[in-house]
Amino acid sequence: EAQVTQNPRYLITVTGKKLTVTCSQNMNHEYMSWYRQDPGLGLRQIYYSMNVEVTDKGDVPEGYKVSRKEKRNFPLILESPSPNQTSLYFCASSFRGGWETQYFGPGTRLLVL
Amino acid sequence: AQSVTQLGSHVSVSEGALVLLRCNYSSSVPPYLFWYVQYPNQGLQLLLKYTSAATLVKGINGFEAEFKKSETSFHLTKPSAHMSDAAEYFCAVSEDDMRFGAGTRLTVKP
Repeated sequence: EAQVTQNPRYLITVTGKKLTVTCSQNMNHEYMSWYRQDPGLGLRQIYYSMNVEVTDKGDVPEGYKVSRKEKRNFPLILESPSPNQTSLYFCASSFRGGWETQYFGPGTRLLVL
Repeated sequence: AQSVTQLGSHVSVSEGALVLLRCNYSSSVPPYLFWYVQYPNQGLQLLLKYTSAATLVKGINGFEAEFKKSETSFHLTKPSAHMSDAAEYFCAVSEDDMRFGAGTRLTVKP
């Protein structure tokens, strides 16, 4: 089944404790992206990747890191989480670019205390 | 810069009534336009998209949207609401990347 998977689905952590949210897709998509969803703000892009070893900042990259060492995986790293990063995070992928239909993972709900 | 505005953060309709969710876009070039739906505790899934072919686009679950260049609009409609349509709906516009609106939560009353 074609899908985007994220882990974990739910995470509670404390300020400053490094964490990684994994994202994997099995559709051989070149483009992958991370969004955060906050009430009243819709989805805002954090980082995106056009292909392996190619990443770029989105609208709200501060406090986040990403890497794209393999085509299928695009982990999101919070080196020192803060309470303002409490949010619902989505990974998405598309075949070639951000202008195409994107396929979303189920989301990761993060609470930073 | 491209952007979308969704009018109304919450829309409530009765079961069987017309659903109308409004979206206006801003784009310097003919855009691609999308409607995504998010059911509770799930990710977003594509309802329909406009890619400069027919201006009336039909999507899944009986939804459709009409691209009106003169009004820079891409409103989503469904003739008769079902309880299962209760969800959050996002309009999105893309040129070189995709920009989402703030979302409209649809409630369907029995």
